[in-house]
Amino acid sequence: EAQVTQNPRYLITVTGKKLTVTCSQNMNHEYMSWYRQDPGLGLRQIYYSMNVEVTDKGDVPEGYKVSRKEKRNFPLILESPSPNQTSLYFCASSPGTGRQETQYFGPGTRLLVL
Amino acid sequence: KQEVTQIPAALSVPEGENLVLNCSFTDSAIYNLQWFRQDPGKGLTSLLLIQSSQREQTSGRLNASLDKSSGRSTLYIAASQPGDSATYLCAVSRIQGAQKLVFGQGTRLTINP
Repeated sequence: EAQVTQNPRYLITVTGKKLTVTCSQNMNHEYMSWYRQDPGLGLRQIYYSMNVEVTDKGDVPEGYKVSRKEKRNFPLILESPSPNQTSLYFCASSPGTGRQETQYFGPGTRLLVL
Repeated sequence: KQEVTQIPAALSVPEGENLVLNCSFTDSAIYNLQWFRQDPGKGLTSLLLIQSSQREQTSGRLNASLDKSSGRSTLYIAASQPGDSATYLCAVSRIQGAQKLVFGQGTRLTINP
């Protein structure tokens, strides 16, 4: 089944404790992206990757890191999480960046930073 | 800076009615516009994608229109069903970085049996 998977789905952590949220897609997509969703602010893009070893900042990159060493994986790293990073995170992928290509979203990771 | 607005924030209608959800955006220089559905506790599912050169797209009971010059899109749902209850999000891709989506905050739709 074609899908985007994220792990973990739920995570509670404390301020300053490094964490990684994994994202994997099995569709051989070139493009991958991370979003966060917050009440009243909607979905905002954190980082995106056009291909292996090619990443760029989205609208809210502060406090996050990403890497794209393999085509299928795009982990999101929080080096020193803070309470304002409590949010619902989504990973997405698409075949490329053509006009007709939509994005496929993972199920989300709900993060609580205490 | 592109801003996307969806009105109303919530909508409740009886089953069987036809309805329209609205989306407006401030910068007409878009690559495409997409409508997504989000169910509680789940990710987003793409419903329709309209390229900037197109006026509308249809899928089953759903029809999305795009008026780029006025910065508006509508999602028309015909013969609504309880299973259509969800939050509907529209998103636009900016010209530079085609897949950098800017989302509206969504319309929470409830279809009452």
